[in-house]
Amino acid sequence: QVQVQESGPGLVRPSETLSLTCSVSGGFLGGHYWSWIRQPAGSGLEWIGRIYNSGNIHFSPSFKSRATVSMDTSKNHVFLTLTSVTAADTAVYYCARGQEGVFGYYYYHMDIWGTGTTVTVSS
Amino acid sequence: QVVLTQSPSASASLGASVKLTCTLSSGHLNFAIAWHQKQSQKGPRFLMRVNRDGSSHKGDGIPDRFSGSLSGSDHYLVISSLQSEDEADYFCQAWDEGFVIFGGGTKLTVL
Repeated sequence: QVQVQESGPGLVRPSETLSLTCSVSGGFLGGHYWSWIRQPAGSGLEWIGRIYNSGNIHFSPSFKSRATVSMDTSKNHVFLTLTSVTAADTAVYYCARGQEGVFGYYYYHMDIWGTGTTVTVSS
Repeated sequence: QVVLTQSPSASASLGASVKLTCTLSSGHLNFAIAWHQKQSQKGPRFLMRVNRDGSSHKGDGIPDRFSGSLSGSDHYLVISSLQSEDEADYFCQAWDEGFVIFGGGTKLTVL
């Protein structure tokens, strides 16, 4: 059974770079897109971006200028970096495996989520 | 770009049924929709994908009490025999123009 676990520093200072790791167990990274999503307190879910085999990467327009996603298949890790963080980046960050296909139209959705890691941006 | 609209809140009694709605913006009726559950202090859980023809694909271990359907631009998540652990936020989600879109979520209270 595939399990996903996020980890990170917990506290990041404004203007610095946030770096998070997603560790996948019980399965392999290959064959799936892996997404990063966040949820600020009291708000809804925000999709950041996704990666497939390091060569296919897509970002939400809201994060395209600040986010980087990468992966290390030998360690079964997916990484997120977010530069120039502000208090608005305070949130719980989730990593999730995705499922895609075509049923008339292309679809993509997350099917296995991690438990999340809390990030607070504060001086 | 598709917009997914959900009512902010819903409530129903223990043991009853509830229907949550996700409305697709006009011109985007052919999208498949995924439903996710977010319980307090837990990570989200994928419930199901509902395809444009009304067929659905559930996540592993999702009970039969959870079902999906659609009518026109409205996608529905129906939860029957409500249990206390069903109290959660429910989000619909789609893919459009190269990225993931989420609805604003519905907070379900089980009375």
